[in-house]
Amino acid sequence: DVKVTQSSRYLVKRTGEKVFLECVQDMDHENMFWYRQDPGLGLRLIYFSYDVKMKEKGDIPEGYSVSREKKERFSLILESASTNQTSMYLCASRAQGASTIYFGEGSWLTVV
Amino acid sequence: GESVGLHLPTLSVQEGDNSIINCAYSNSASDYFIWYKQESGKGPQFIIDIRSNMDKRQGQRVTVLLNKTVKHLSLQIAATQPGDSAVYFCAEGRGNQFYFGTGTSLTVIP
Repeated sequence: DVKVTQSSRYLVKRTGEKVFLECVQDMDHENMFWYRQDPGLGLRLIYFSYDVKMKEKGDIPEGYSVSREKKERFSLILESASTNQTSMYLCASRAQGASTIYFGEGSWLTVV
Repeated sequence: GESVGLHLPTLSVQEGDNSIINCAYSNSASDYFIWYKQESGKGPQFIIDIRSNMDKRQGQRVTVLLNKTVKHLSLQIAATQPGDSAVYFCAEGRGNQFYFGTGTSLTVIP
C-alpha cells in the first residue's frame, strides 16, 4: 500500500512564525503535491513537484514555498504565518503518468 | 477554473440499501476520474478510478459509471454499511493536473 506520511497532525502557531510541514512517501513516486482544504472550497493546489528539486506553483501559492531535496520528501513552508492560513493541509503523491494520487492524513494548522 | 461539482451536498441512506453519489464535470478533455472517501479528521482515501475510454468499472462493493455525453460521473455503493458514512468527492485529472469537487456527505442510518 502507498504510504504518505505527514509528520505533524496538529499545530498551533503564532502570526508571523515560520512554519514547516513535512511529508514523506515510501513508493518512490516522482510527483508530490501540497493542497489545502477548507470547508465549501474543496481542495486547492498550493504547489506541486514533478521530481527532485523541481517545483511548480499551483492555484494559491502566495505565502507559501516548498522544498524537494529528496525524492521521498516534500516540505511546505509558510514564511510568515497569517491567520488566513489556518486550514487543513494535505500532502499527496503519484507515480508519473498514473491516474491516481494518494493522500496523507492531513495536517491541521491553526494560526493565532 | 474548472467545474467539478456534486448534485447533492448530503445523502442519507438506510443500512443495506444501495447508495448513488453523483458528480458533474465540465471538461471533456479530462483523462481520468477518481472517487475519494474522506472520514472526519482524516485524509482522502482512494476508492476507485476510471479512465476516459471506459464507461464502467467495478470494485469491491463499488461501481463507477462515466457518461461522457453529459459529463457525468457516479459512484454506486452496494449494501451500504455504517462504516461507509463519510464525505465522498470526485476528481478529474488531465496530465499532471487534478480538479476536485467539494464533496457529498453520506450518512448511513442503522
